[in-house]
Amino acid sequence: GAGVSQSPRYKVAKRGQDVALRCDPISGHVSLFWYQQALGQGPEFLTYFQNEAQLDKSGLPSDRFFAERPEGSVSTLKIQRTQQEDSAVYLCASSSGLGVSYEQYFGPGTRLTVT
Amino acid sequence: KQEVTQIPAALSVPEGENLVLNCSFTDSAIYNLQWFRQDPGKGLTSLLLIQSSQREQTSGRLNASLDKSSGRSTLYIAASQPGDSATYLCAVRPDSSASKIIFGSGTRLSIRP
Repeated sequence: GAGVSQSPRYKVAKRGQDVALRCDPISGHVSLFWYQQALGQGPEFLTYFQNEAQLDKSGLPSDRFFAERPEGSVSTLKIQRTQQEDSAVYLCASSSGLGVSYEQYFGPGTRLTVT
Repeated sequence: KQEVTQIPAALSVPEGENLVLNCSFTDSAIYNLQWFRQDPGKGLTSLLLIQSSQREQTSGRLNASLDKSSGRSTLYIAASQPGDSATYLCAVRPDSSASKIIFGSGTRLSIRP
C-alpha cells in the first residue's frame, strides 16, 4: 500500500506533559525502527522491533521513553514528562526483512516541540 | 565507537555543475553504507546502498563509491539540477547483526538556477 505514515506531523507539548507518537509501517513489513533527529543533525537510532518483539532499545535516552508494537504492525513511541531536550523530529522506518539488511523506508516524521 | 562525518556541512553550486559529497567513518569494519536524501519536512529517501564487498553503485546521475580501508565514501552528482537541492545523509551499518545504522550529520546542498 502506501508508504510509512506518522501522526501527528507536528506536536507542541508543555514541559512535563506526556506525548504519544504513532507510526503506521508499510503493510507486511516485519521490521520497524524509531529514530530521533535533532535540528541540524543526522537521525539517531532509538529502538528496533521485529514483529511485536522489541529486540533493541539501546538508543532510548532515558526511562521516560517507551515504545510498543503490540500486534506487530502499528507502533507507538511514548515520552513521559517531556523536557525541552526532547524537542526533535522523530522518524519511523520499516523494512520487509529482518534487521537492517533490507532497505528501510522512512516516514515523514513527527516534529515535537517542548515549550 | 563508530562515528560518521560529512564534510562540508553545506554546499551551494550553480546548476549544471558536477559535484562530490564526502563521508568518512572511523571504523572500517562496516557491513554496508547507504546514502539518503532528505527534503525539508519529509522523511529520508534511500538513494544508493553499497555492500562492504562493493566499490561503487550507480543510479542515474548518481554514483557512490566506497573505500573501506580508508574509511571513506563519496557521492558524485553529475549535471546538477535545482531539484537536487536537499540534505544528503550518509549512514553505515556496523555489522550484519547490528539493528542500528549510524548516520552522519548530512550535507545541505543548494543548486542555484
